[in-house]
Amino acid sequence: QQQVKQSPQSLIVQKGGISIINCAYENTAFDYFPWYQQFPGKGPALLIAIRPDVSEKKEGRFTISFNKSAKQFSLHIMDSQPGDSATYFCAASIRGGSEKLVFGKGTKLTVNP
Amino acid sequence: NAGVTQTPKFRILKIGQSMTLQCTQDMNHNYMYWYRQDPGMGLKLIYYSVGAGITDKGEVPNGYNVSRSTTEDFPLRLELAAPSQTSVYFCATRTGGLGNQPQHFGDGTRLSIL
Repeated sequence: QQQVKQSPQSLIVQKGGISIINCAYENTAFDYFPWYQQFPGKGPALLIAIRPDVSEKKEGRFTISFNKSAKQFSLHIMDSQPGDSATYFCAASIRGGSEKLVFGKGTKLTVNP
Repeated sequence: NAGVTQTPKFRILKIGQSMTLQCTQDMNHNYMYWYRQDPGMGLKLIYYSVGAGITDKGEVPNGYNVSRSTTEDFPLRLELAAPSQTSVYFCATRTGGLGNQPQHFGDGTRLSIL
């Protein structure tokens, strides 16, 4: 049972453009929504995260938008750069205890120069 | 400060063989996790540990075993390797305490079973 659905599977954007990746979740008990970035041959690394008590969080060119009623959240990458080319995973967990992460299937982003 | 170290980086096994994937961390984190990553499938949790001596199953534990005798080490054991276990395996750690601390990942072990 996939609890976090991520789309699109792949995305090609021109340099300077906006990249948008969407995720939807089912479990209303989730209260932490991180995005991880993974480069080839490396492990995932935390990029940005949000709690459901805010609707948006921005860190530099990266923004998470969160819609609690729709159970959806998205990652926006402004002014996309070739160095942003990577695979992005959304995830969700419940605070407290083991805080196991449930991951989406990932989006491979390619930013063309 | 090496963070999370996984060994080996690559391994080819024959069906039925056994092996142990090593994971060591130097951050004194209580929580440790093992994931497998298959193409287009994201990361799926195999086992996790909330501290030395305490382990529990994740989403896909069948065919694997773990132990946690120290804070630093969390080995993953494959007893009878099967082709379905061909994957990239990631170990991750997280500090304890309240408030959604991030998980820190190693660079993975790429395992092929032929």
